[in-house]
Amino acid sequence: GAGVSQSPSNKVTEKGKDVELRCDPISGHTALYWYRQRLGQGLEFLIYFQGNSAPDKSGLPSDRFSAERTGESVSTLTIQRTQQEDSAVYLCASSLSAGSGGRYEQYFGPGTRLTVT
Amino acid sequence: SQQGEEDPQALSIQEGENATMNCSYKTSINNLQWYRQNSGRGLVHLILIRSNEREKHSGRLRVTLDTSKKSSSLLITASRAADTASYFCATDGAPSGTYKYIFGTGTRLKVLA
Repeated sequence: GAGVSQSPSNKVTEKGKDVELRCDPISGHTALYWYRQRLGQGLEFLIYFQGNSAPDKSGLPSDRFSAERTGESVSTLTIQRTQQEDSAVYLCASSLSAGSGGRYEQYFGPGTRLTVT
Repeated sequence: SQQGEEDPQALSIQEGENATMNCSYKTSINNLQWYRQNSGRGLVHLILIRSNEREKHSGRLRVTLDTSKKSSSLLITASRAADTASYFCATDGAPSGTYKYIFGTGTRLKVLA
């Protein structure tokens, strides 16, 4: 079946503009994660959705970042008033369920490379 | 701060040799996972080891976990050029019932043909 898809694959935007990144998880996966990966760095947790529960937004770096998820499907990550330090690859992952102890593997999308000029 | 820290940061070996990379973490965990990221591609799950397990194998991969030292190692035997990638460990790093994974900074492995 189809894996996790993300769009756009690349986005170049001017400083100060808003951007919206999209993630389509694997069908049936109730858990969805957003990560940020700066060049040559590890993954930085941003936000987590699990079913209809309130999302865990503890990783969002500032109030310019927000994310939504419609039910157990598509999610969008919005960055307002982009800054140059927002330049990174934004990765989305989904899993069957977070479950107790996070025992389910995450399936990652190819990412959106964001460049803020 | 990062929950998982991989070491070494970079590793270069000849094809056929074994590659070992380590991960250290700070808090108690339920599970630890290893992922691979090829250049320009997404992350792929390799193996999950639970906190009550000490060793796990999958093909040419061997993972060990020492909860007393809060460390894990990933061994790739008989490496191939296709193993060239970055390898990350991920830990939940929180009390049981949580889900937030913290990824380390990764080990960049280069296998020379």
